[in-house]
Amino acid sequence: AQSVTQLGSHVSVSEGALVLLRCNYSSSVPPYLFWYVQYPNQGLQLLLKYTTGATLVKGINGFEAEFKKSETSFHLTKPSAHMSDAAEYFCAVSDDRFTGGGNKLTFGTGTQLKVEL
Amino acid sequence: DGGITQSPKYLFRKEGQNVTLSCEQNLNHDAMYWYRQDPGQGLRLIYYSQIVNDFQKGDIAEGYSVSREKKESFPLTVTSAQKNPTAFYLCASSGGQLNEQFFGPGTRLTVL
Repeated sequence: AQSVTQLGSHVSVSEGALVLLRCNYSSSVPPYLFWYVQYPNQGLQLLLKYTTGATLVKGINGFEAEFKKSETSFHLTKPSAHMSDAAEYFCAVSDDRFTGGGNKLTFGTGTQLKVEL
Repeated sequence: DGGITQSPKYLFRKEGQNVTLSCEQNLNHDAMYWYRQDPGQGLRLIYYSQIVNDFQKGDIAEGYSVSREKKESFPLTVTSAQKNPTAFYLCASSGGQLNEQFFGPGTRLTVL
């Protein structure tokens, strides 16, 4: 069975500082990995994804993540935090893909990012 | 614009009543999903459907039911058997060559 662990339910950074949100996963097959962002009372928006190929993945809003198989990690980073980055971030793993497209995701419990002046 | 719509945005229900949440997509996706979100617990899968007229239970299906009569629609019914239905419900879809799921804006259900 697949699972996702996000270390730190709340992370606080200063504006302009590095953002690092941690995600570790377990999967019985080569995983697909995703980071989503959620603003209050809204749905989830995809930030970036890893399926195959290059292990350093760039996403929207200046975020990137690196797939490290040996560490079973997919940490999310951004060099310089902005106030608009304050939101909840979810890591997800998929190792159950459907024939017609789509997949079954397992989500972490989320990390609330606070950005302070 | 292509996307996923959920209605209503807010829903109030009395104990013992069934209620149906709507989810519609115009992305031509085969697969659709329903999640429940509670504070500190992330998203938990209720039901999913890989294709029309077929659906499977997720991790927390008890007290819920779904149907998939049309590709575009995947309504969720919260029955009176669901003991703690107050939550934020999210619908998603995926398909084709893309692997990610696209999410609707959510419905917040409150049981009075």
